[in-house]
Amino acid sequence: AQSVTQLDSHVSVSEGTPVLLRCNYSSSYSPSLFWYVQHPNKGLQLLLKYTSAATLVKGINGFEAEFKKSETSFHLTKPSAHMSDAAEYFCVVSGRHMRFGAGTRLTVKP
Amino acid sequence: DVKVTQSSRYLVKRTGEKVFLECVQDMDHENMFWYRQDPGLGLRLIYFSYDVKMKEKGDIPEGYSVSREKKERFSLILESASTNQTSMYLCASGQGGGSGKEQYFGPGTRLTVT
Repeated sequence: AQSVTQLDSHVSVSEGTPVLLRCNYSSSYSPSLFWYVQHPNKGLQLLLKYTSAATLVKGINGFEAEFKKSETSFHLTKPSAHMSDAAEYFCVVSGRHMRFGAGTRLTVKP
Repeated sequence: DVKVTQSSRYLVKRTGEKVFLECVQDMDHENMFWYRQDPGLGLRLIYFSYDVKMKEKGDIPEGYSVSREKKERFSLILESASTNQTSMYLCASGQGGGSGKEQYFGPGTRLTVT
C-alpha cells in the first residue's frame, strides 16, 4: 500500500524567508511523487513531479523538491517566500492511482 | 491548455435528493477521477474510470455511483444525498498508461446537503 504523511498541517513564514514543507511517503516500489498547490477558491495545480529521473526536481514559481529514498522523504522548498505563495500544498504518491496527503496550509506574513 | 470543467461551483440539496455532478474534459484523456476534499483529510478518491463505460471503486465509494458514457464526460451520482456528503467534490482527468502521469483538476463543486 502507498501513503504519504505531511508532517505539518500549518506552516507560517515571513515574506522573503525560506519555505520548507515536509512530506514522508510509504511505497512498496519505486514511487512517482508530486506536489500540488491549491490557492483559495481555485483548483489544484501541479507544482512539480518526480518520476525516477533526477532526485532534485525543479517546479514552477521557484519551488523545488528533493527525493531521498533512504529517508523516504520528498520535502518541498523555496529559498524566498512571496505573499502569493500563501495556499494549501498537497504531497501525492502515485501508484495505480494517486494518494494525497492531508495538506499543509502555508501562511506568508508581510 | 487542458481544461476540466464542472457543472456547478456551488450546490445546495436536501437530504434524500438524487444529485448529479457533471465533469467534462477537453484533452481526450483516458482516465477520469472523482475525489472529495475535506479539511484535514486531503483528497480521497471516490471512483475512477480508465475508459468509456469502465469504472473502479476508489477508497470511499459508499453512497456514490458514476457514469461514463462518453470519453470526455464523467458523472458522479449521489443516489440519496445525506448530510455527511456535504463536501467539496473535485473532478480530474489524466492520460492512461500507468503511474507517474499528472492529473488535471477542475475548480470543484461545493455541495451542501441540508
